[in-house]
Amino acid sequence: GENVGLHLPTLSVQEGDNSIINCAYSNSASDYFIWYKQESGKGPQFIIDIRSNMDKRQGQRVTVLLNKTVKHLSLQIAATQPGDSAVYFCAEFVSGADGLTFGKGTHLIIQP
Amino acid sequence: NAGVMQNPRHLVRRRGQEARLRCSPMKGHSHVYWYRQLPEEGLKFMVYLQKENIIDESGMPKERFSAEFPKEGPSILRIQQVVRGDSAAYFCASSSERPPSPNYGYTFGSGTRLTVV
Repeated sequence: GENVGLHLPTLSVQEGDNSIINCAYSNSASDYFIWYKQESGKGPQFIIDIRSNMDKRQGQRVTVLLNKTVKHLSLQIAATQPGDSAVYFCAEFVSGADGLTFGKGTHLIIQP
Repeated sequence: NAGVMQNPRHLVRRRGQEARLRCSPMKGHSHVYWYRQLPEEGLKFMVYLQKENIIDESGMPKERFSAEFPKEGPSILRIQQVVRGDSAAYFCASSSERPPSPNYGYTFGSGTRLTVV
């Protein structure tokens, strides 16, 4: 079964509001988590990553939170813009593995 | 400074034909990964290669699928005798180091969309 999954398949937010996309994982051996953005017809684009020894990391307009106690990861996007419309995936690297394990994705829809 | 280049972008094959997907990694990257994405799903790891070596093919079907990364030229993912279930988007990624390591620069291409008719 999937090691990484997402709570909601679609998230609709108003332009300018903050978005929070959630992700649950089950593998305690995960070293590293990455959030990707995928626009229609394109490959995944790196947004931000976080190591398992951290609980928060901030980028430009984005923040990733990691709660290892409940095995939960979230991506917060501040002041959502139309260009943020995409499918967002969380992915994990497990120590000793060579590939990323992806969740199924959340489709973020920005309403004007 | 080209990124990961994949071609063709779209490929249509009849059942039973062969599909060849090509991936040129970013300049300076010697690690290549192939992933498959079904509609409305996340990517699934297939195979990890370095130049002339398959390092990990644990995600690749045992039959009909093969991958190579020759000393010269792009990495090739080959699917023989394609079936409808092979229809998917196939993505290639490359990195400068074996992940996870700081600043490994894991970068995806735009994918090849294979349709089997």
